[in-house]
Amino acid sequence: GAVVSQHPSRVICKSGTSVKIECRSLDFQATTMFWYRQFPKKSLMLMATSNEGSKATYEQGVEKDKFLINHASLTLSTLTVTSAHPEDSSFYICSASKEGADEQYFGPGTRLTVT
Amino acid sequence: SQQGEEDPQALSIQEGENATMNCSYKTSINNLQWYRQNSGRGLVHLILIRSNEREKHSGRLRVTLDTSKKSSSLLITASRAADTASYFCATDWSGYALNFGKGTSLLVTP
Repeated sequence: GAVVSQHPSRVICKSGTSVKIECRSLDFQATTMFWYRQFPKKSLMLMATSNEGSKATYEQGVEKDKFLINHASLTLSTLTVTSAHPEDSSFYICSASKEGADEQYFGPGTRLTVT
Repeated sequence: SQQGEEDPQALSIQEGENATMNCSYKTSINNLQWYRQNSGRGLVHLILIRSNEREKHSGRLRVTLDTSKKSSSLLITASRAADTASYFCATDWSGYALNFGKGTSLLVTP
């Protein structure tokens, strides 16, 4: 199988604080991981592409200084929401794919609530 | 940017009936995938159909792809209450990240 985990599954933080979300591929190596964001009852929007050992590629309109992505190993990518504000409250989902494969495997998501 | 568009946006049927959801996209693709999402949960991959395929089956699911019309359909036969979820199509046009449609919200009532 191909399992992707995310941690935490749910987090509540105060405005101005930073939150780190981890995405791990548990049984395969992922040179590329993707971070998506989903607003209530909306579709997923790609935020950035995380490549192991190099800088992430951000989609237009996504602030790279606010959403810090680090892909330190072939099984771990982290998304840090810095100086979080209530408008950052959302459902964040990561995905990873095996090298040479078309399917992406999604993590269970992290629900962030900023108060 | 999003390029998949599902319709209908919402569908309500009774158990045992078939549910059909459609997806249209704008540019060339390598493959098209359908995902399911239960409320507040992550995505579950349902089925992948490649651009050179026209139809694919998986259990009660049947997916068609018409690249000339840039459209796909997902048919769930003999629906069950447990099929209640949102269904998204996603296109892969470069072996890159997926572009998701807005989703169809399916409600199956007992």
